[in-house]
Amino acid sequence: KNEVEQSPQNLTAQEGEFITINCSYSVGISALHWLQQHPGGGIVSLFMLSSGKKKHGRLIATINIQEKHSSLHITASHPRDSAVYICAVFQGGSEKLVFGKGTKLTVNP
Amino acid sequence: DADVTQTPRNRITKTGKRIMLECSQTKGHDRMYWYRQDPGLGLRLIYYSFDVKDINKGEISDGYSVSRQAQAKFSLSLESAIPNQTALYFCATSPLTGTGNRNEQFFGPGTRLTVL
Repeated sequence: KNEVEQSPQNLTAQEGEFITINCSYSVGISALHWLQQHPGGGIVSLFMLSSGKKKHGRLIATINIQEKHSSLHITASHPRDSAVYICAVFQGGSEKLVFGKGTKLTVNP
Repeated sequence: DADVTQTPRNRITKTGKRIMLECSQTKGHDRMYWYRQDPGLGLRLIYYSFDVKDINKGEISDGYSVSRQAQAKFSLSLESAIPNQTALYFCATSPLTGTGNRNEQFFGPGTRLTVL
């Protein structure tokens, strides 16, 4: 079993829909990282969080440390949100990230 | 200008050839990482360096070596490339001191390597 599991693996939505991507992990962590990988391959950091909730524009990330679960929400989705979204965690005191396999999001106009 | 750059962006080579992938950063970060990404798999850590004199193996270091020539430069070498090293390679950096989250990682644009 992977230490970091994402669901769903693939997600197709219509423009304007509310999107939720889930990340569950099986180890104690110090922080969780949400990343976006564009179709061209580049990876961009979206959020780092270790508790609570963060918001940036239409993106919201939440984490529940007790339940070992994080969610990434996209409000009013747009075709330009189409990308692979990757969850990664820092285990305990480690400085190394462990990555999920990613969720491929396609938003149709 | 990009903060983390990788050269080359694409490379096709033959089995047995020596290949070097280079990473440069202008972010002033101490920590640098090399990852590979394969279809259907998450990013996997090859090597990482926390400063110029520090080199550490990641989970898949066999067949690879690295050199940290300066704080800003971290190179990955494949001494004798083999087809199963065909992958997308990413360099990343993260800060240790100063402003910013010490753990957040910033990725280069990636190098697509094909070994025939």
